[in-house]
Formats: sequence, C-alpha cells, structure tokens
Amino acid sequence: DVKVTQSSRYLVKRTGEKVFLECVQDMDHENMFWYRQDPGLGLRLIYFSYDVKMKEKGDIPEGYSVSREKKERFSLILESASTNQTSMYLCASSLMPQRGQTIYNEQFFGPGTRLTVL
Amino acid sequence: KQEVTQIPAALSVPEGENLVLNCSFTDSAIYNLQWFRQDPGKGLTSLLLIQSSQREQTSGRLNASLDKSSGRSTLYIAASQPGDSATYLCAVPSTYNFNKFYFGSGTKLNVKP
Repeated sequence: DVKVTQSSRYLVKRTGEKVFLECVQDMDHENMFWYRQDPGLGLRLIYFSYDVKMKEKGDIPEGYSVSREKKERFSLILESASTNQTSMYLCASSLMPQRGQTIYNEQFFGPGTRLTVL
Repeated sequence: KQEVTQIPAALSVPEGENLVLNCSFTDSAIYNLQWFRQDPGKGLTSLLLIQSSQREQTSGRLNASLDKSSGRSTLYIAASQPGDSATYLCAVPSTYNFNKFYFGSGTKLNVKP
C-alpha cells in the first residue's frame, strides 16, 4: 500500500516564523503535491513537483516555496508565516501519468498537518 | 474551466440503508474520476479510481459509476454503517494538465445507528 507521511499532525507557530512542512512517500511516485484545505474553499493546490528539483506553481503559491531534493521527499516552506496561512495542509503523491487512453494518476494523500499561526 | 459539484452537501441516513452520492462535472472530456473519503481532521483516503473507458468500478460495499456524456458519477454505498460517516469527495484531472485536479466540495454523510 502507498504510504504518504507528513512530519507533524498539529503545529502552532507565531507570525513571522519560518515554517517547514515535510512530506515523504514510499511508492517511488514521480509527482508530489501540496494543497491547503479551508472550510468553504475546498482543496486548493499550492505547488506540485514532477521530479527532483522540478516544481510548478499551483493556484495559490504566494507566500509559499517548496523543495524537492530527493524523490521521496517534498517540503513546503512558509518563509514568514502569517495568520491567513492558518489551515489544514495536505500532501499527496501520484505516478506520472502518460498521455494515452488510460491515465493512471490516482492520488494518495497524507494524514494532513493542521497549522495554526498566532 | 472544469467545475465539479456535489449535491447534497450533507446527508443523514439510518444504518442499513443503501445510498447514492452524486458528483457532476461540466466538461465531459475527462480521463478518469476519483472518489475519496475524508474523516474529520484527517487526510483524504482514496476509495476508487474509475477510468473514462469504464462504466463501473467496485470495491467491497462501494460501487462507482461514470456517465461521461451526462457529466455524472455516482458512488453507491450498500448497507451503510455508522463507520461510513465521513465526507466523500470526488475529483477529476484536467484534460490539459493531468497534474491539476478539480475537486468537488464534498458530501458529508452521517449514518445513524
């Protein structure tokens, strides 16, 4: 079974702090994703990575950066945390889909990190 | 732009009922559709991935169907149990970028003992 783990379940930080959220997957997936989930707004993609050192911005990248130095690990960085970044952060991974009739890009999610910025 | 809708937003049923959750999408040119379950305060658990070439996919008491032409998928849960209580979400990948997914806002299911 695919396992995606996240470094913390709950995190409390102060405004202005630098925050690292880490995600590790054990299925050799090429793709990794960071989402945030907020009531009424659903899941929104922050960044994704399709290979080591490769990344693409999602819908809401402002205030975030990412790092992928190893295939299994994808980090989300809040350079200077703000209260509006209080949220549930979800990491996911999937295979790299090949264009064709069958696209196998099933996403597997980690348990989530509930971040509170005071 | 693809829009994914799940109605109703919440559903409460007595234990033992068979029930259907709905997922609608505006662009029928999808490659697949994925159903997830989310327990409160936790991540999403993948339930089923149904390819566009399939009409149904089954896993235990769950059966997902897909009708691309009408832009609909349904998740059928047989003999519901209190442990099925959770939020159920559906998602489709963008036709132009398989790494971008459109998620529905979910249906919160409560199965009463």
